[in-house]
Amino acid sequence: AQRVTQPEKLLSVFKGAPVELKCNYSYSGSPELFWYVQYSRQRLQLLLRHISRESIKGFTADLNKGETSFHLKKPFAQEEDSAMYYCALRGPMEYGNKLVFGAGTILRVKS
Amino acid sequence: DGGITQSPKYLFRKEGQNVTLSCEQNLNHDAMYWYRQDPGQGLRLIYYSQIVNDFQKGDIAEGYSVSREKKESFPLTVTSAQKNPTAFYLCASSVNRGRGRDYGYTFGSGTRLTVV
Repeated sequence: AQRVTQPEKLLSVFKGAPVELKCNYSYSGSPELFWYVQYSRQRLQLLLRHISRESIKGFTADLNKGETSFHLKKPFAQEEDSAMYYCALRGPMEYGNKLVFGAGTILRVKS
Repeated sequence: DGGITQSPKYLFRKEGQNVTLSCEQNLNHDAMYWYRQDPGQGLRLIYYSQIVNDFQKGDIAEGYSVSREKKESFPLTVTSAQKNPTAFYLCASSVNRGRGRDYGYTFGSGTRLTVV
């Protein structure tokens, strides 16, 4: 079964501090992993995906198949990073496009 | 202005009534999805459709029904059989993989359903 675990419901950091939002997954094959973000009063939107290997708004995430993790990191948090973050997993193409989401982590950046 | 529209934003239902939530997209996406968002549980998949006139159950389909008669529309009916319908409902759409540039899901702004 596919499962995504985000162990922290809330992560509170000071502005300028490093951020790491944890995501672990359970899947026997080769999944695709994503991070989605929901800012206050905005729609849920894609932040980044592991196959793109890109940095968006200073955030990066590396897929670690050995640890089955896809943690989201940023070296210096900014107040505008405060939002709800969801990690999501997608199986192989024959299983379609559906995403399995984690429970989400609220990131609060304090000034 | 391309996007995905959910209506209504707020919906109140009496116990025993069926209600239908609307989801419309003009992005020419083949696939559409319905998720339920509850605090502490994240997003759980109710139903999804990868093509017109076809749909599949997600993880929590009991008490819900859908139809996909048009590519643009994927309405969700919350029936009286749904034991705990009060929740925030999100609709999303995407291209099918291998059918164009994959930008991930595009989400609607959601419908908050309350049973009174």
